[in-house]
Amino acid sequence: GQQVMQIPQYQHVQEGEDFTTYCNSSTTLSNIQWYKQRPGGHPVFLIQLVKSGEVKKQKRLTFQFGEAKKNSSLHITATQTTDVGTYFCAGPNQAGTALIFGKGTTLSVSS
Amino acid sequence: SQTIHQWPATLVQPVGSPLSLECTVEGTSNPNLYWYRQAAGRGLQLLFYSVGIGQISSEVPQNLSASRPQDRQFILSSKKLLLSDSGFYLCAWSQGLTGQPQHFGDGTRLSIL
Repeated sequence: GQQVMQIPQYQHVQEGEDFTTYCNSSTTLSNIQWYKQRPGGHPVFLIQLVKSGEVKKQKRLTFQFGEAKKNSSLHITATQTTDVGTYFCAGPNQAGTALIFGKGTTLSVSS
Repeated sequence: SQTIHQWPATLVQPVGSPLSLECTVEGTSNPNLYWYRQAAGRGLQLLFYSVGIGQISSEVPQNLSASRPQDRQFILSSKKLLLSDSGFYLCAWSQGLTGQPQHFGDGTRLSIL
């Protein structure tokens, strides 16, 4: 069945270092979405990418959608302790009725 | 603006007891509604989704059920809870049928004793 895979599963960085998480889909996606879940919280929608090769920025976060619309990445520049949490990517299932979530990348940051 | 309410925030239940978790959405009409379960430190498992009143699709066979008695109300139920039902239950809504962004409630932490 359709799958969305994320790597790495965990990443620990020192504050100020960069961080990247990668997302790969087994099928071409109409869009890719990214969510952030803080410890003890619920997932919060960050961004949606729709176009092939699209790049979007939100302050220190850069999101990219691959040319084949099967992969994506989230890059954080100069991490801060507020970036701690689990980052999920998600893409629509083929029926378009639900999202397939990756298992997430948990980021920890030490100051 | 749209808001989603989910309660209770925390629940401790004995094995074999019934369950009812409720989720309501305000500020939108005809939303798609979803129930997820998240085990500690794990990803999101889609349990049920609904595209309209009385329309429920089940993703995972189990002893849970869902109902949508009103347009903006989604209920997760069980007649007899199992130990394996412990987890963090999240309700979410989205607009449209094309895999649009989902907006999550605060979740219910369910512990089964």
